[in-house]
Amino acid sequence: QSVLTQPASVSGSPGQSITISCTGTSSDGGNYNVVSWYQQHPGKAPKLMIYEGSKRPSGVSNRFSGSKSGNTASLTISGLEAEDEAEYYCCSYAGSSILRVFGTGTKVTVL
Amino acid sequence: QVQLQESGPGLVKPSQTLSLTCTVSGASISGGYYWTWIRQHPGKGLEWIGYIYYSGSSYYNPSLKSRATMSLDTSKSQFSLKLSSVTAADTAVYYCARDAGFYDSSGYYYIPIFDYWGQGMMVTVSS
Repeated sequence: QSVLTQPASVSGSPGQSITISCTGTSSDGGNYNVVSWYQQHPGKAPKLMIYEGSKRPSGVSNRFSGSKSGNTASLTISGLEAEDEAEYYCCSYAGSSILRVFGTGTKVTVL
Repeated sequence: QVQLQESGPGLVKPSQTLSLTCTVSGASISGGYYWTWIRQHPGKGLEWIGYIYYSGSSYYNPSLKSRATMSLDTSKSQFSLKLSSVTAADTAVYYCARDAGFYDSSGYYYIPIFDYWGQGMMVTVSS
């Protein structure tokens, strides 16, 4: 069983930086070093924010950055803004059986 | 601009087959991508259902126990999902998405990149 674990919630004040972690465990060879990150506002479709661990699609603010350390990938939001309040999901390759898996999701609250 | 749009019945009876179609515009459905379905149960996280490749090959999440089938209609620029023997547990928002990912230099690890998504379609399974 492949699982990508994220903290349930993270909060910060406007202007602060927050970091969301994404830790992978797998019994069938998943690779959690290279993830993509998605932002989802309530009632909306997810939006790609980071891919290949640290690359930003065109149009995504440079306040969003991705990194990795060991078996943990991270998404950092700098200069937190009210519009960043949303659910965030990581996604990665989950091994030869399930192929793709999403993280458990993190609710970001801007205080 | 690439756009995806889901369509289909919003209400399906238990034991019947859920059928959804995703219409793609702004990109060729034969362009080498993994055309994907993802669902989200009410108040829950994202669940990858599976994909159909531009070549017609497909792969499904084993958790669906062989109930899922996907197909491609290149003439209409559409791909579809059928999920058989539905129960209330299949009630969810269903998203179609384009997976523009690739295999890394080892050729073993796939790097998924869901770059375009449909707006999502709520499907309720109820009698």
